[in-house]
Amino acid sequence: QKEVEQNSGPLSVPEGAIASLNCTYSDRVSQSFFWYRQYSGKSPELIMSIYSNGDKEDGRFTAQLNKASQYVSLLIRDSQPSDSATYLCAVGKTSYDKVIFGPGTSLSVIP
Amino acid sequence: SAVISQKPSRDICQRGTSLTIQCQVDSQVTMMFWYRQQPGQSLTLIATANQGSEATYESGFVIDKFPISRPNLTFSTLTVSNMSPEDSSIYLCSVERQGDYTFGSGTRLTVV
Repeated sequence: QKEVEQNSGPLSVPEGAIASLNCTYSDRVSQSFFWYRQYSGKSPELIMSIYSNGDKEDGRFTAQLNKASQYVSLLIRDSQPSDSATYLCAVGKTSYDKVIFGPGTSLSVIP
Repeated sequence: SAVISQKPSRDICQRGTSLTIQCQVDSQVTMMFWYRQQPGQSLTLIATANQGSEATYESGFVIDKFPISRPNLTFSTLTVSNMSPEDSSIYLCSVERQGDYTFGSGTRLTVV
């Protein structure tokens, strides 16, 4: 079993819709969780970090964490064509430790 | 977040040669990380570099192939040694600050 798994893409949503990206992880002691966005040919950029169970909102983005289910998700509201990118889930065992990345989900927002 | 300067941004190298990639951070950080991103793939951690100690390598990566230096708290280098076409990838450094992880702009390496 891979340490971090994401729903396979590509995921296509119409402009203005909600995009839902999912991630599961295998190590129960994981404490830190991140969502990165990566445009083609660019390095990953951090969208959200989440450490506690529940929801965390930042603008159009909401991260959801459920440690009991070992599940973390990212919702993108009012999706825009500029959101078209690969979204990477990353998980760390503790704060300030290495993070392991999932395989990524490619999102395409159709105008 | 930290500002990272990574260079070179890209290079084309002959097989059997070595390339050293540099990362400079705008302030002191405890840990620096080196990742590889093969074409169409996600990021794979190569090693963690702490200042004053040997780097810690992940399974499948060895010091002879990927020697790392960490001479101070703002700088690190990764060398890709005795390159083969299979080493063609993007190499990225990353640092942790206040719990968040930032990446350099990456080095796109092509081995011919």
